[in-house]
Amino acid sequence: GAVVSQHPSRVICKSGTSVKIECRSLDFQATTMFWYRQFPKQSLMLMATSNEGSKATYEQGVEKDKFLINHASLTLSTLTVTSAHPEDSSFYICSASPSPGQIQTQYFGPGTRLLVL
Amino acid sequence: GENVEQHPSTLSVQEGDSAVIKCTYSDSASNYFPWYKQELGKGPQLIIDIRSNVGEKKDQRIAVTLNKTAKHFSLHITETQPEDSAVYFCAASPFTGTASKLTFGTGTRLQVTL
Repeated sequence: GAVVSQHPSRVICKSGTSVKIECRSLDFQATTMFWYRQFPKQSLMLMATSNEGSKATYEQGVEKDKFLINHASLTLSTLTVTSAHPEDSSFYICSASPSPGQIQTQYFGPGTRLLVL
Repeated sequence: GENVEQHPSTLSVQEGDSAVIKCTYSDSASNYFPWYKQELGKGPQLIIDIRSNVGEKKDQRIAVTLNKTAKHFSLHITETQPEDSAVYFCAASPFTGTASKLTFGTGTRLQVTL
């Protein structure tokens, strides 16, 4: 149980285009999902907290207009990288917390590798 | 805010030996401490977690210990196998009544050699 999927697993796009990444909790409901970014050989950096039915909460330094988050249902959150640039190339990972239940536990998706040319 | 330090950054052990990774945290409000294993190109996988009302938890070859007074917790892997090779992250979070943020350590790259 507690499976989180992400789609796509890998995406290459041209500079200036937008990319949407989906995060789904497959066998549990998640009121809250989290979006992280990870650079090579570094730890996970929290970008934003996504709450179903309300606006996402962004971490300091993360542009909310560039990284659009939508959490339209209890099993789906999406991250859209708008007007992507090469510096946005990274590994994006989502996590989901089961609710009700293990609200502190976060289960992670497999990640999406974004390459902006 | 919370700050989590993790040591060592790299660890090499021979197959069959034990591996220990240590973390310290700063916020006394933290009460949940998970450990994640991340293989190359994959998302982190929860391998064990502990809450502040217990001092130790075991799951087969993996154990975690927590010292609330000293604000440190450790991951112990016994009888290591090559498939244990990965990056391990510790994390900490407070109880807020809702899903709360995790603060991660910087990671430990474990290499199990034959």
